[in-house]
Amino acid sequence: DQQVKQNSPSLSVQEGRISILNCDYTNSMFDYFLWYKKYPAEGPTFLISISSIKDKNEDGRFTVFLNKSAKHLSLHIVPSQPGDSAVYFCAASANSNTGKLIFGQGTTLQVKP
Amino acid sequence: GAGVSQTPSNKVTEKGKYVELRCDPISGHTALYWYRQSLGQGPEFLIYFQGTGAADDSGLPNDRFFAVRPEGSVSTLKIQRTERGDSAVYLCASSLTGSLSYYNEQFFGPGTRLTVL
Repeated sequence: DQQVKQNSPSLSVQEGRISILNCDYTNSMFDYFLWYKKYPAEGPTFLISISSIKDKNEDGRFTVFLNKSAKHLSLHIVPSQPGDSAVYFCAASANSNTGKLIFGQGTTLQVKP
Repeated sequence: GAGVSQTPSNKVTEKGKYVELRCDPISGHTALYWYRQSLGQGPEFLIYFQGTGAADDSGLPNDRFFAVRPEGSVSTLKIQRTERGDSAVYLCASSLTGSLSYYNEQFFGPGTRLTVL
């Protein structure tokens, strides 16, 4: 039972353009959502998060949008840079007091120079 | 910098053997998590410690898996009678507290790649 789904295994964009990574979830109890970035042979690093009481959160080039009615969130990266090439994981939590995260399968982003 | 460290980085063992994987969290972090990442998948939650106690072990797949954190700092994940299906990268993360917030992120270690032959 995959509660968090990233249906696109990979995405390729040109440097300077927008990257949009998508994530769908099924559990309506999720109240906190996060995006992590992972380089090979390293652990995931936190990128940006959003609480279910918001529909948008922005941090520099990264913006996360949350559509609760559609159970969908997306990460926008503008402008995309070659250093953004990595695997991006969407994660969700149904109890923000414990920090237990449910991750999606990941999307590999390649930003071409 | 003193991030989360995990040892060993790689572990190859034979089916049926016992293994221990170690995690050193960031100093002062009270919350510690273990996740398992299989090939092509995202990390899968195993267990969460708040201090010395396992506050949530709902992700441990069966009783061959056990984890301890006796002094509230270093944690050891123990796997008995290993099976080929246990092969994965085991990730450890720590955070200041167990509460999720933008300012209380989970910091992950580089993981231990376990291969069971």
